[in-house]
Amino acid sequence: QVHLQQSGPEVKKPGASVKVSCTVSGSSLGELSMHWVRQAPVKGLEWMGGFDPENDETIYAQKFQGRVTMTDDTSTDAAYMELSSLTHEDTAVYYCAASTRRGYILHYWGQGTLVTVSS
Amino acid sequence: EVVMTQSPATLSVSPGDRATLSCRASLTVISNLAWYQQRPGQPPRLLMYGASTRATGIPARFSGSGSGAEFTLTISSLQSEDFAVYYCQQYNYWPYTFGQGTKLEIK
Repeated sequence: QVHLQQSGPEVKKPGASVKVSCTVSGSSLGELSMHWVRQAPVKGLEWMGGFDPENDETIYAQKFQGRVTMTDDTSTDAAYMELSSLTHEDTAVYYCAASTRRGYILHYWGQGTLVTVSS
Repeated sequence: EVVMTQSPATLSVSPGDRATLSCRASLTVISNLAWYQQRPGQPPRLLMYGASTRATGIPARFSGSGSGAEFTLTISSLQSEDFAVYYCQQYNYWPYTFGQGTKLEIK
């Protein structure tokens, strides 16, 4: 049973950066492809980026290009999403979601991390 | 990017009745379409992938159909735990895109 455990809530000031972690158990990070999806308050789901198994690279949504970095640490089975230059519009719950390594379907989801951007 | 449009935005149905949710893609996504259920305060839960394959542990009252650009999620005999928000998502193209959601509420 794959489980994704995310780090706790964050409060950041505008202009700051935030780094959210997602730790895998029940499998290893090397067996998964990690994606990040966010959900602003009372809004829908927005894909931020994830691993493309066909080209072996991480792809970012154009909206977040240059501002987001997604990394994996296979030694600790933890994935990270760092978002910089935060604005109030970045206030949202951030989810990690995973497919199998060569797959595309988001079978597994973390519990979510609330990031609040407030001055 | 592929725009996913769900209808209706809100669907009011009585427990025990059938619910039919629709999802339309702005381009053909073949059958690379997933459905998720999201209850308040919880992460999305994968219900369906490949347009019509139930994910592990999903009850048989959930069924999906469609291919190309038109898709349907049907829930027969609604249970109390089925009242939630449902999202479709295409994974045929980058970036992945989600529909805006259909809220299934108790009539």
